[in-house]
Amino acid sequence: ETGVTQSPTHLIKTRGQQVTLRCSSQSGHNTVSWYQQALGQGPQFIFQYYREEENGRGNFPPRFSGLQFPNYSSELNVNALELDDSALYLCASSFWGASGANVLTFGAGSRLTVL
Amino acid sequence: QKEVEQNSGPLSVPEGAIASLNCTYSDRGSQSFFWYRQYSGKSPELIMSIYSNGDKEDGRFTAQLNKASQYVSLLIRDSQPSDSATYLCAVNRGGSYIPTFGRGTSLIVHP
Repeated sequence: ETGVTQSPTHLIKTRGQQVTLRCSSQSGHNTVSWYQQALGQGPQFIFQYYREEENGRGNFPPRFSGLQFPNYSSELNVNALELDDSALYLCASSFWGASGANVLTFGAGSRLTVL
Repeated sequence: QKEVEQNSGPLSVPEGAIASLNCTYSDRGSQSFFWYRQYSGKSPELIMSIYSNGDKEDGRFTAQLNKASQYVSLLIRDSQPSDSATYLCAVNRGGSYIPTFGRGTSLIVHP
């Protein structure tokens, strides 16, 4: 059973640039959630995708967007990067079934630095 | 009031002691509660989940839930230096399957 994989692991961008982060969900999972974790803070929910549709969104501006593909992998795109976007971006997959969603399995994260 | 509150710590305990980590939440309709452990520079990993009032034990870990007081805790018995990490409390609000995380409590177990 493969776990959740994220790429890239580290990247540096400058203000105003755009970034795409990628995530492959754990085998058997059909739901992907993205979280932003600033230093010393807990993960903050960005959005969740189920069956290629956005299934919930946190308090993030529209320049944060995402996609889920038929193989349940996902992308997080951030446009017009700001210094405060510097954080660890965590992808988590889970299975959504008849009894609801089970617990999250996190990837190792992508650490974004915006200069 | 934040949805999920935790004392950021650090909580420092000697090896072999019981570490007690606490979390309060604001939504009375919350149904699912989780504790994740996050080592420095790593991603969170699930330790325990609890859904009903009372205690749930798994090895050295015990989760305690009191919905009336909107309080959930994690006890770690016989603490080891390898338990040193940040412990994140996460809560699914009523009607939601999306967990909201607290800021985490840093635990240091010293030899």
